[in-house]
Amino acid sequence: DAGVTQSPTHLIKTRGQQVTLRCSPKSGHDTVSWYQQALGQGPQFIFQYYEEEERQRGNFPDRFSGHQFPNYSSELNVNALLLGDSALYLCASSLEWVRGTDTQYFGPGTRLTVL
Amino acid sequence: ILNVEQSPQSLHVQEGDSTNFTCSFPSSNFYALHWYRWETAKSPEALFVMTLNGDEKKKGRISATLNTKEGYSYLYIKGSQPEDSATYLCARGANMLTFGGGTRLMVKP
Repeated sequence: DAGVTQSPTHLIKTRGQQVTLRCSPKSGHDTVSWYQQALGQGPQFIFQYYEEEERQRGNFPDRFSGHQFPNYSSELNVNALLLGDSALYLCASSLEWVRGTDTQYFGPGTRLTVL
Repeated sequence: ILNVEQSPQSLHVQEGDSTNFTCSFPSSNFYALHWYRWETAKSPEALFVMTLNGDEKKKGRISATLNTKEGYSYLYIKGSQPEDSATYLCARGANMLTFGGGTRLMVKP
């Protein structure tokens, strides 16, 4: 059973560009969450998708947007990249958004560097 | 406590030592407390989810306790091994997880 997968592993972009990160959830999971981990800090919640809708959002600007597809996979898009967007982006999947306290299973992350 | 805080930030122990770390969090509107182990270059691995005051969970040599009234959780590792070297993260919440900064554990052979 494949766990959560993310692509690409690493990415280098320049300021002002746009980037798309991809995530495939663990088999059977219907809820996908995205987190940003800056150096030396714990992961910060960006948003969560369930039934192809954004259900909760953390304190991130509108430059961060996402999408969930019918097969439950998800994309994170970041527009107008800033140097401060350099971070590890983690995707997590879980069962049953409604219950809320289920374990979130994480992927290995995408390391984004903005030059 | 306004945020999730973990202490210590880092810890060096000898193989065979037992150790523990603390996660402190706001006690109001509590839903769940999660513990993860994160080894370098790997995915964070879920250890425990705890929801009830007084919960105790165990997985091999690792155990955790939860006090929701005073807002803290302890993670214990009995007889540390080099393979226990990792960053241990706690997170509070349901759906939207709020993480602490982690405790980095290094176990010397």
